[in-house]
Amino acid sequence: AQRVTQPEKLLSVFKGAPVELKCNYSYSGSPELFWYVQYSRQRLQLLLRHISRESIKGFTADLNKGETSFHLKKPFAQEEDSAMYYCALQTGANNLFFGTGTRLTVIP
Amino acid sequence: DVKVTQSSRYLVKRTGEKVFLECVQDMDHENMFWYRQDPGLGLRLIYFSYDVKMKEKGDIPEGYSVSREKKERFSLILESASTNQTSMYLCASSLVTGSGGQYFGPGTRLTVT
Repeated sequence: AQRVTQPEKLLSVFKGAPVELKCNYSYSGSPELFWYVQYSRQRLQLLLRHISRESIKGFTADLNKGETSFHLKKPFAQEEDSAMYYCALQTGANNLFFGTGTRLTVIP
Repeated sequence: DVKVTQSSRYLVKRTGEKVFLECVQDMDHENMFWYRQDPGLGLRLIYFSYDVKMKEKGDIPEGYSVSREKKERFSLILESASTNQTSMYLCASSLVTGSGGQYFGPGTRLTVT
């Protein structure tokens, strides 16, 4: 069965410090992984997807099939990065299986 | 820009009431989804639909049903609301294929008293 693990419920970093939000997955098929973000009082929105290999708002995430991980990284955190972050695994025809989320707080 | 709208932002209902949550998307997406979002539990899939009049159970369908009579509209129904259904409910839509991800509505915070 598929599983997505985000081990940190809460993560606090200082502004300008590097940030890494961890995500590990378990899936027997070929994984497609996403990061979603929810800013305060806003709807959940797609941040990035591994298949695009893109950098959005300075965030990147690399799929490591050997370690079954898809950690989200940013070299210099900004206050506006404070939000709830969800890692998600796509199974089937666009079904997403979400982790439990990590609340990131960037301290000024 | 994809727009997914939900009929209510906040809803307060009494135990035993029948509750309807409506979701509409304007991008002609085939797939639509209903999740509930709870602190510490993340998003859990209740039901999804790949086409009109078609529905599939997600991970936590008990106590819920859905209806999709038109492609753009997906309704979640709580037949007899209970206090443990107090939650944030999120609707989402997506294309049937590809890796475009899902687009979410703003959510409905339902409180059952």
